[in-house]
Amino acid sequence: RKEVEQDPGPFNVPEGATVAFNCTYSNSASQSFFWYRQDCRKEPKLLMSVYSSGNEDGRFTAQLNRASQYISLLIRDSKLSDSATYLCVVKRQGGKLIFGQGTELSVKP
Amino acid sequence: DAGITQSPRYKITETGRQVTLMCHQTWSHSYMFWYRQDLGHGLRLIYYSAAADITDKGEVSDGYVVSRSKTENFPLTLESATRSQTSVYFCASSGGGGINTGELFFGEGSRLTVL
Repeated sequence: RKEVEQDPGPFNVPEGATVAFNCTYSNSASQSFFWYRQDCRKEPKLLMSVYSSGNEDGRFTAQLNRASQYISLLIRDSKLSDSATYLCVVKRQGGKLIFGQGTELSVKP
Repeated sequence: DAGITQSPRYKITETGRQVTLMCHQTWSHSYMFWYRQDLGHGLRLIYYSAAADITDKGEVSDGYVVSRSKTENFPLTLESATRSQTSVYFCASSGGGGINTGELFFGEGSRLTVL
C-alpha cells in the first residue's frame, strides 16, 4: 500500500462545476499536509497548505481529518485554467515530503 | 535569475554508463531533494539532504548515489544506468522551517532516457 493514495482520475468537468479530490495517508505520525499543482509534466508548485481547522484560498478549500487520515481539496466554480494534476503531499518528521500519484483534472468549456 | 537549476535538461545514455544529474540552488536552502516521476507512480523520493554532508535515502534509492559537499549543490549519480531508470528527475529545495512549512521549490526537471 502506498503511503499517500489518491484517485488518479481523470476528472472531466464543465466550467463552473464544483469538484472534490480525496487523499488518504497511512503514516499516523505525519506532521503536515499540502496540495501541489502540476501542469503538463512541468515542475510541481505549492497550491496550499492544509490545516486541521480547514482553510480556504479563494475558490479552493482544503480539509484535514487526522482521525481518518484523510485530506480533501474542493474547487468551486472551476475555470479552464484549473486543468492540471493535483498532488497530495504529506510531510514526515525530519522534513521528508511524500507525494501521492496525483489526480488529473480537465475542465471543459 | 536566482533559483534552482538542473542540468542537463535532456540526456540520452546507454545501459551501464555512469550519468550525473546536477542541481544547484541559490537560496541557501538547507533541504534538498531528488525525485523521479513516472506514469502511474507520481513523484517518488530518491534521496534527500537536510544540510551539507547529511544525506538520507528515500523510497527508491537503489542504483543512485548523491553527495552534498556544498549547501548549494546536490548532484545525483546513476552509477550504472539501467532502462528502468528512464524517467523525469526533479530536484527540489526547501528552507525547512517549522512543521507547517512545506513549500518545495522545484527545478524544471531532467528527462533521462536509458537505451
